[in-house]
Amino acid sequence: AQTVTQSQPEMSVQEAETVTLSCTYDTSESDYYLFWYKQPPSRQMILVIRQEAYKQQNATENRFSVNFQKAAKSFSLKISDSQLGDAAMYFCGMGTYKYIFGTGTRLKVLA
Amino acid sequence: EAGVAQSPRYKIIEKRQSVAFWCNPISGHATLYWYQQILGQGPKLLIQFQNNGVVDDSQLPKDRFSAERLKGVDSTLKIQPAKLEDSAVYLCASSFGGAGNTIYFGEGSWLTVV
Repeated sequence: AQTVTQSQPEMSVQEAETVTLSCTYDTSESDYYLFWYKQPPSRQMILVIRQEAYKQQNATENRFSVNFQKAAKSFSLKISDSQLGDAAMYFCGMGTYKYIFGTGTRLKVLA
Repeated sequence: EAGVAQSPRYKIIEKRQSVAFWCNPISGHATLYWYQQILGQGPKLLIQFQNNGVVDDSQLPKDRFSAERLKGVDSTLKIQPAKLEDSAVYLCASSFGGAGNTIYFGEGSWLTVV
């Protein structure tokens, strides 16, 4: 079975501070991809960052970076210099032959 | 580039009635996904198409849900008869290929069953 687990239902961060969202996954596939998607209140999900499992180097995208620990099957998202516009639901996802998501973490950004 | 189009955006029906949702993926995208997102939960994959073939439909309640993707382009998801627990947002998404490709989501179709 393939699973994606997000154990933090909600997180808060002060504006300009750094926050880390956790994600663990499980798969028996050797070839897979990991993603973080953001879902603002308008509900359209958009890609934040992606990581190929065969790459050891952690992906970065401006203020967003991941900590990919393949042996531990962990894939956390770090948001630096948090902004009010970062407030949203964040979903961790995994793509093998199909594409599944975790239950999400609601991020609140405090001014 | 046009995004993933979905309609209708909102639908309210009574239980035991039927409803259909339509999705038009981004042009050239071979893979199309239907997800169910119940309020406060993550998206649950209902069915995944590669062109007009089904890749995965293991979580599709086949006694009441059906989906088709004729000609490998747009797709329709039908629920008949609807139950109260079907109240959710139905998200359509598409990608150029399979697992490693970024998937792009539509705005969703919000269903309320009363």
